[in-house]
Amino acid sequence: GAVVSQHPSRVICKSGTSVKIECRSLDFQATTMFWYRQFPKQSLMLMATSNEGSKATYEQGVEKDKFLINHASLTLSTLTVTSAHPEDSSFYICSASGAGVQPQHFGDGTRLSIL
Amino acid sequence: QQPVQSPQAVILREGEDAVINCSSSKALYSVHWYRQKHGEAPVFLMILLKGGEQKGHEKISASFNEKKQQSSLYLTASQLSYSGTYFCGTAVSGNTPLVFGKGTRLSVIA
Repeated sequence: GAVVSQHPSRVICKSGTSVKIECRSLDFQATTMFWYRQFPKQSLMLMATSNEGSKATYEQGVEKDKFLINHASLTLSTLTVTSAHPEDSSFYICSASGAGVQPQHFGDGTRLSIL
Repeated sequence: QQPVQSPQAVILREGEDAVINCSSSKALYSVHWYRQKHGEAPVFLMILLKGGEQKGHEKISASFNEKKQQSSLYLTASQLSYSGTYFCGTAVSGNTPLVFGKGTRLSVIA
């Protein structure tokens, strides 16, 4: 099956630090990548959708200057949480899909803890 | 608009069956089903696109009603490995991102 790799799996850092999370599709070309945030025992909340080579589309209430998304190639998207604060602590998951109506394949997620 | 999943949680003994429902107030383009185990990423189960469609994957199958507003996931002869949270993700068109329901927590006990 399709494989999506996400790194790092866990980050613990001080308030004010910027954190970059990478999402790679290893065996297929990801036309579209999605970034989600998930709080404990809650659903996946879509933050933004990115298509290769174009600007990401952010969901309402998500600050684009806070959560910078880059989708430079068909296999790599990055999410940078800038000047992170404790309220940004969460489980961040990326997913990727190919062209057309395809399943979204999820990365293993990044657990971000801001002290 | 977030789909409504029911039940919120269910406990089964091994070998029992369960049905998880996913409903929308609007006609949907597609429904995707995922299972997520604690601390892990969601794993894709299946996609349904056509009204009246039924699809199976071993002992897990799903249906999509004719009006394309409700989907059900059927788990038969449940195994311990079926435990996890099941999410439906719905799309209203072919190029809109999925919106996930709140999930159904399934616990299978021996």
